[in-house]
Amino acid sequence: EPEVTQTPSHQVTQMGQEVILRCVPISNHLYFYWYRQILGQKVEFLVSFYNNEISEKSEIFDDQFSVERPDGSNFTLKIRSTKLEDSAMYFCASSVENSGNTIYFGEGSWLTVV
Amino acid sequence: EDQVTQSPEALRLQEGESSSLNCSYTVSGLRGLFWYRQDPGKGPEFLFTLYSAGEEKEKERLKATLTKKESFLHITAPKPEDSATYLCAAKGRGNEKLTFGTGTRLTIIP
Repeated sequence: EPEVTQTPSHQVTQMGQEVILRCVPISNHLYFYWYRQILGQKVEFLVSFYNNEISEKSEIFDDQFSVERPDGSNFTLKIRSTKLEDSAMYFCASSVENSGNTIYFGEGSWLTVV
Repeated sequence: EDQVTQSPEALRLQEGESSSLNCSYTVSGLRGLFWYRQDPGKGPEFLFTLYSAGEEKEKERLKATLTKKESFLHITAPKPEDSATYLCAAKGRGNEKLTFGTGTRLTIIP
């Protein structure tokens, strides 16, 4: 069964460093997302991406965050200058289209900022 | 603003003891109500999508139902391997995002 794959599974970084989280969405999907889950809290939407541009973003997704689809398969989330409060599990997700289709999630990248 | 509330926060059941999890939602123009299962340290695993009131879907020991204000996940004769956190999420009109509830942590005791 096709799945969303994410790398790395776990990353530890110093505060202020840049981090890139990578994702390979399901191949025939057109919509891509990043969500995050701080330990013990609910899953929160960060950003959606369609047709090579951001289609919706949350208040969390401020100027320190960016997304990119550098080639036909990868989808990345960059955090420019990490803060302690960025420590969370980051989930990449994808869907065929947007209206009501199921969004499939990857296994997550656990980011620890020290 | 879309809101999703799940109850109870945690539920412990004996193996074989059936029960239901609740998801209340406030969403403008529901375009989908989603149930996911999440194991510790893992990503949400898709279970069901419901689109309109009265709809029901089943998979093994799980059945999801939907009304205009709530969704229920019914678990029949659960087994220990059903232990997980069950997440409910909703998508509203004009949104691309899913709004998640805080989840119900289900423990099935052998």
